[in-house]
Amino acid sequence: SQKIEQNSEALNIQEGKTATLTCNYTNYSPAYLQWYRQDPGRGPVFLLLIRENEKEKRKERLKVTFDTTLKQSLFHITASQPADSATYLCARNSGGYQKVTFGIGTKLQVIP
Amino acid sequence: KAGVTQTPRYLIKTRGQQVTLSCSPISGHRSVSWYQQTPGQGLQFLFEYFSETQRNKGNFPGRFSGRQFSNSRSEMNVSTLELGDSALYLCASSHTGDITPETQYFGPGTRLLVL
Repeated sequence: SQKIEQNSEALNIQEGKTATLTCNYTNYSPAYLQWYRQDPGRGPVFLLLIRENEKEKRKERLKVTFDTTLKQSLFHITASQPADSATYLCARNSGGYQKVTFGIGTKLQVIP
Repeated sequence: KAGVTQTPRYLIKTRGQQVTLSCSPISGHRSVSWYQQTPGQGLQFLFEYFSETQRNKGNFPGRFSGRQFSNSRSEMNVSTLELGDSALYLCASSHTGDITPETQYFGPGTRLLVL
């Protein structure tokens, strides 16, 4: 089965620092990885998608990398703010069309 | 555009009962996926519908079923409820549901509690 693991269930970071979240996958390389943000009581919100032939993707303070050798994606939030506190989910395609496998998520807490 | 809506938002049922959850995708979106989210397992894919046809299915028992209507609205049904079915059920829609990756837009979910 195509597993995806986020190896930190929780991460606390000081405001202004860069938060780095890790996502590891097993078996074959996914065609793409996605990152979502989920706030309590709400559905996930899409943030970034990176394809296997892309090494890096940026969007404002967010950056995602994709390393097919390490079978890993890193998600960075620079100049973190308390408003960035949420659970961040990594997801990979796991079959045709929109079938997606999610990691369990990393709960990020940005401390003022 | 209005976002993905799900009804009801909260539901309490007892073991053995059945339940039907509803999802209205974003206008113009034709692909609807359903997920179950629990603290221990995270988000797990249930199934995906496109043009009233189930295209993908996750590893859930046959008690979990779904359907999609011609207006793209979707329902999922869980029969013979078990305590372990207590979860947040999320619906997500995407535009064409093409084989290339698309952004999925999630609804707020239906919180189901089975007593």
